[in-house]
Amino acid sequence: GENVEQHPSTLSVQEGDSAVIKCTYSDSASNYFPWYKQELGKRPQLIIDIRSNVGEKKDQRIAVTLNKTAKHFSLHITETQPEDSAVYFCAASNFGNEKLTFGTGTRLTIIP
Amino acid sequence: DSGVTQTPKHLITATGQRVTLRCSPRSGDLSVYWYQQSLDQGLQFLIQYYNGEERAKGNILERFSAQQFPDLHSELNLSSLELGDSALYFCASSVAGFQETQYFGPGTRLLVL
Repeated sequence: GENVEQHPSTLSVQEGDSAVIKCTYSDSASNYFPWYKQELGKRPQLIIDIRSNVGEKKDQRIAVTLNKTAKHFSLHITETQPEDSAVYFCAASNFGNEKLTFGTGTRLTIIP
Repeated sequence: DSGVTQTPKHLITATGQRVTLRCSPRSGDLSVYWYQQSLDQGLQFLIQYYNGEERAKGNILERFSAQQFPDLHSELNLSSLELGDSALYFCASSVAGFQETQYFGPGTRLLVL
């Protein structure tokens, strides 16, 4: 089955700097890659997703890039703010076997 | 608020017992998913129902079962509980399939003593 590895497990960034979280997947048939943000004590919420026919997608300060050849995708957060502090999960699925497989999460801390 | 509701919020029980967790999806969503989140294992997909039928199975133990009712609410039954079953159980819903936005409920925190 699909295996998703996520790095780093923890990340501390000065407010205003950029943060990058990377994920690699094992199943070359995977074609859907969402990112979820989970604030402390709250539910995961989708923040951005990308499909395999697109190399990059942006939404304000958040962007995701996908490298199908290398089987990795990354989340980029620019101009970080204190409210960006949370745990971020990447995930992957493919159309034939649609189960979402999640990475182990990255705890992002924004230092004021 | 995602529109997905889960009850109860917290549950404390003893080993060997059985509990039922309940989830109501967003209005109009046909798919319900159950996930287990424990400290050392992140988010683990358990099972998906679509319009009353089981559609996909993940790492769900045989002691666990689920169903989706005609009104689309779902229940996750956990039996012969063990200490290791202590976790946060999330329900999520989407309009149809996995490759759509999944809206998560607030979760049920289960503590097995």
